[in-house]
Parts: sequence; C-alpha cells; structure tokens
Amino acid sequence: EDQVTQSPEALRLQEGESSSLNCSYTVSGLRGLFWYRQDPGKGPEFLFTLYSAGEEKEKERLKATLTKKESFLHITAPKPEDSATYLCAVQASGTYKYIFGTGTRLKVLA
Amino acid sequence: DAGVIQSPRHEVTEMGQEVTLRCKPISGHNSLFWYRQTMMRGLELLIYFNNNVPIDDSGMPEDRFSAKMPNASFSTLKIQPSEPRDSAVYFCASSSRGGPPQNIQYFGAGTRLSVL
Repeated sequence: EDQVTQSPEALRLQEGESSSLNCSYTVSGLRGLFWYRQDPGKGPEFLFTLYSAGEEKEKERLKATLTKKESFLHITAPKPEDSATYLCAVQASGTYKYIFGTGTRLKVLA
Repeated sequence: DAGVIQSPRHEVTEMGQEVTLRCKPISGHNSLFWYRQTMMRGLELLIYFNNNVPIDDSGMPEDRFSAKMPNASFSTLKIQPSEPRDSAVYFCASSSRGGPPQNIQYFGAGTRLSVL
C-alpha cells in the first residue's frame, strides 16, 4: 500500500535556527514527490516537485532533496514568515492522484 | 490567471440538509480533484476526473456523497443528507495531464463546511 509519513508533527524554531523536515514514503513506482506549504485558512501552495533520487530543488531559504525512500525539506536561517504547515505528497506511476502525509506544523519564533 | 475558484468559502447547515460545493478549475487544466481535510485524517482524496470523466471515486465515503463535472470549467460535490461528521474543509485542485511539470496540482482556497 502506498504510504507517506512526515516527521516531526510539529517543530518550533528560533529565527535563524536551521532544521530539516522529513517525508518517508513507500510507493509502487514513484512518478513524483511534491512539497506544499499551507497557511491557516488557505489551500496548499505548491513549492517543489522532485522526480528521481538525487534530485535537489531550492527556493529562497528552502531546499528539497530526494532519495529512494525519503525526502527532506531543509530550512536555512528561517524567518517568522516561514511559519506554516508543510505537506509532502507522492504520486505513483500510472496514476494522477496524490497521497499526502499529515504534515509538519512549523513555528518560527522571532 | 485567477487560479482554482471554490464557492462558497464557508457553509453552515443543519444535519439532513443538502449541501453543494462548487469548483472552477484553472482554464486549460483537464484533471480535477476533490479533497477533504480534517485534523484527524489530514488531506484525503475523494474523487478525481480526467477530461470531465470520473476516474477514481474510491475515496468517496458513502452514497451520500456525489460529484459531477458537466464541463471542463465546472464541478460540484454534493452531500445529501449531510451529517455532523461531514464537517471539514473541502478543497478542489486541478492540473494538466501529462509528464512533468504538467502533473502539479493547484489548489483552491477551500470550503469550510460545518454541519450542526
């Protein structure tokens, strides 16, 4: 069964304190892995997509990496505006649907 | 581009009433997805359409839920009769079929449903 597990469930960081969020997955053939950011009261906002092991993507203070079993979202020198829930999803080969993890709630304190 | 548009943003209804949620996908997208989000279960896929045809409805909880896509620019999710356990945020997302980067899903702002 295709499955996505995110850890930790919640994370509190001081401004400037770098850290990483984990997304472990099992899927019968990976078509793509997706990271989204969700702010309270809003829909998920697309951040990155990764397609093969070893691939990396960067955007401002965020960097996503992918192996055959997991993905990391690295946050370098975070700011309070990075506070949000970060969602990971996988898409299996032969389908267009995503399977989402339950997310990591990130709080960055000034 | 206006993005995915959902209406209403908030819906409060009484148990037993019919509820209809609406979605307008991004123009040119040919896949549409309905999700439900709760604190307990996170984001769950209910149903998705390709070219207006339902492809996978295995996530629809029970016969009280139904979804239609009469054309490429409009979809509805209906709950009849509604129950308090249906209270959740319902999201619609759309994407283009095909390989990367077309298979990225873009989400609407959601409809917060409260069934009293």
